[in-house]
Amino acid sequence: GAVVSQHPSWVICKSGTSVKIECRSLDFQATTMFWYRQFPKQSLMLMATSNEGSKATYEQGVEKDKFLINHASLTLSTLTVTSAHPEDSSFYICSAKPEGFFGYTFGSGTRLTVV
Amino acid sequence: GESVGLHLPTLSVQEGDNSIINCAYSNSASDYFIWYKQESGKGPQFIIDIRSNMDKRQGQRVTVLLNKTVKHLSLQIAATQPGDSAVYFCAEKMDSSYKLIFGSGTRLLVRP
Repeated sequence: GAVVSQHPSWVICKSGTSVKIECRSLDFQATTMFWYRQFPKQSLMLMATSNEGSKATYEQGVEKDKFLINHASLTLSTLTVTSAHPEDSSFYICSAKPEGFFGYTFGSGTRLTVV
Repeated sequence: GESVGLHLPTLSVQEGDNSIINCAYSNSASDYFIWYKQESGKGPQFIIDIRSNMDKRQGQRVTVLLNKTVKHLSLQIAATQPGDSAVYFCAEKMDSSYKLIFGSGTRLLVRP
């Protein structure tokens, strides 16, 4: 149980376009989801906390107008990278914490390449 | 975002030996800690966790030790196998929130 599905697994887009990444909790409801970014040979950096039915909470230094987060239902959070640039190329990973459990479940990640 | 350091040290061990991976965490108020394994191009995979009211927890072939006095966490892998080769991250949950903050990671290489 407690599976998180992330889609797409990889995407290539042109500079200046927008890309949407989906994160779904398949067998549990997630009022809170988390979005991370990981550059090569580095750790996971928390970008924002996605809250169902309310605005996301962004970490310091993360542009909320560039990384749009929508958490419209208890099973789906989306991250939209707007006006993508090559420096946005990275591995994006979502995570959810099932209610009543201590642990966190991670998606399989999305490799974004902006050309 | 937050992260503890940007370095990725490497630990090389012989197949069959025991591995010890260390992590220094940042916040004395953290109440929950998790070790994750990450293979190339994949998301983190849960290995073992420990709450702050414990100092040791054992799983299958893995043991986590927590030393709150010096804010140190370690992961011990017994009889390391080639399939254990990956990057290992510790993560801490701060007492006042559900945010999970990752450490810098250690690459484990298992020599045949």
